[in-house]
Amino acid sequence: GAVVSQHPSWVICKSGTSVKIECRSLDFQATTMFWYRQFPKQSLMLMATSNEGSKATYEQGVEKDKFLINHASLTLSTLTVTSAHPEDSSFYICSAHPPGGSTGELFFGEGSRLTVL
Amino acid sequence: DAKTTQPTSMDCAEGRAANLPCNHSTISGNEYVYWYRQIHSQGPQYIIHGLKNNETNEMASLIITEDRKSSTLILPHATLRDTAVYYCIVRVLSGGYQKVTFGTGTKLQVIP
Repeated sequence: GAVVSQHPSWVICKSGTSVKIECRSLDFQATTMFWYRQFPKQSLMLMATSNEGSKATYEQGVEKDKFLINHASLTLSTLTVTSAHPEDSSFYICSAHPPGGSTGELFFGEGSRLTVL
Repeated sequence: DAKTTQPTSMDCAEGRAANLPCNHSTISGNEYVYWYRQIHSQGPQYIIHGLKNNETNEMASLIITEDRKSSTLILPHATLRDTAVYYCIVRVLSGGYQKVTFGTGTKLQVIP
């Protein structure tokens, strides 16, 4: 089945640094990918929709200058957390949908856990 | 996306059937019901989906009421590995570009 992979699976960084998380669709092309954030014991919160070749669409309350999204190819979207602070520590998850798929299911990455010290 | 409501948590004895309900009273005619689950510290995993007929696959069964305002996910023989948070979502089938929002889900605890 379709596979979505994230890298890194976990990262620890110092406050003030930037961290990049990659989301790849391994066996299909995805013009649209989605980025979620999940805090402990909470549900997934949609952050933004990543569109290949164009600007991402951010959900209300999500700072686009803080969370930079680049979808430069049909198989890769990146999320960069700029000037990270401890409150940015979270589990970040991406998802993508194979075009023309008959089930309409979304495939999710394994998630990336960010810890900001 | 239509809003869904699920119980916060449920327990199920190992080997017994787990029945997880979901209410989606504002579902539109072209929206499907999807179920995903999330095991701790992993990305969500697709389980099953349906429009109006009951569906079954190797993982679970999905029972949708005739008026489509609610559904039940059935895990026929729950195992300890089924302990997870289960999310019920409604969305259109071809909505690859349609964003998906998650509710709070049901935390299923399978008890030995």
